[in-house]
Amino acid sequence: QQQVKQSPQSLIVQKGGISIINCAYENTAFDYFPWYQQFPGKGPALLIAIRPDVSEKKEGRFTISFNKSAKQFSLHIMDSQPGDSATYFCAASMSGSGGSNYKLTFGKGTLLTVNP
Amino acid sequence: DAGITQSPRHKVTETGTPVTLRCHQTENHRYMYWYRQDPGHGLRLIHYSYGVKDTDKGEVSDGYSVSRSKTEDFLLTLESATSSQTSVYFCAISYPGGGETQYFGPGTRLLVL
Repeated sequence: QQQVKQSPQSLIVQKGGISIINCAYENTAFDYFPWYQQFPGKGPALLIAIRPDVSEKKEGRFTISFNKSAKQFSLHIMDSQPGDSATYFCAASMSGSGGSNYKLTFGKGTLLTVNP
Repeated sequence: DAGITQSPRHKVTETGTPVTLRCHQTENHRYMYWYRQDPGHGLRLIHYSYGVKDTDKGEVSDGYSVSRSKTEDFLLTLESATSSQTSVYFCAISYPGGGETQYFGPGTRLLVL
C-alpha cells in the first residue's frame, strides 16, 4: 500500500516557468512533510519541509503548499532554472511518541527537466 | 554530505554470494537507515536503527539483515544476493532534536549478476 502518491512522474518546464509537483498522503498521523532534491549520482538532500500547522512555506524560489483537509501538499518552483533539473521526492513521517523513529515514507519521485 | 560515507561505492557480485555494505558516520547520530532506490519505486526503507544493537525492519526487509555494534557504523548484509537486489543503496542518519530531517550518504551501486 503506497501511503504517499506523487505526480507527475516526469515534468518538462521552460526556463523561467513554474514547476509544480503534487503529493497526496493517506495516513492522517503524518505530521512532517519534507521535499528532497536529488541530482544524478548523488544522495537525496533536504530542500524544504512543512508541518501541518501552516498552509504554506517559502524558501527562496521554492514553496510548499499544504492542504490538510485534502491530505495533499505540493512543491512550487518559481522562475525554474536549468540547474533545478533533478529528481524531486516528497515524503511524510510521524513525529512524537509511539516509536515512529522518524521513519520517512517517500513518494516515487518526479524527474524535472528545465530547458534553457 | 553530513559526515556520512558508504563503502564500497560500486560493487558487482554474483547471485548467491553474501554482500555487506557499510555506512559510517562521524556525527554520532542515534538514528541510521538503509534505503534502496529503484526506478519507478522511489526510496524504500530496508532496515533502520535507533541505537547500538537496536534495529528494526522497514518495508522491504526480506533478504537483508543489519547490524550496529558501534554508533558510527551500520552494516547491511545481503545473505545470498539475488538479481532483484540490484539497486542503489543509500544510508541516512537523523537525530532527535534535529527533527525528522534525514541526511543521506552518497550511495552504493550494486549489480548482482
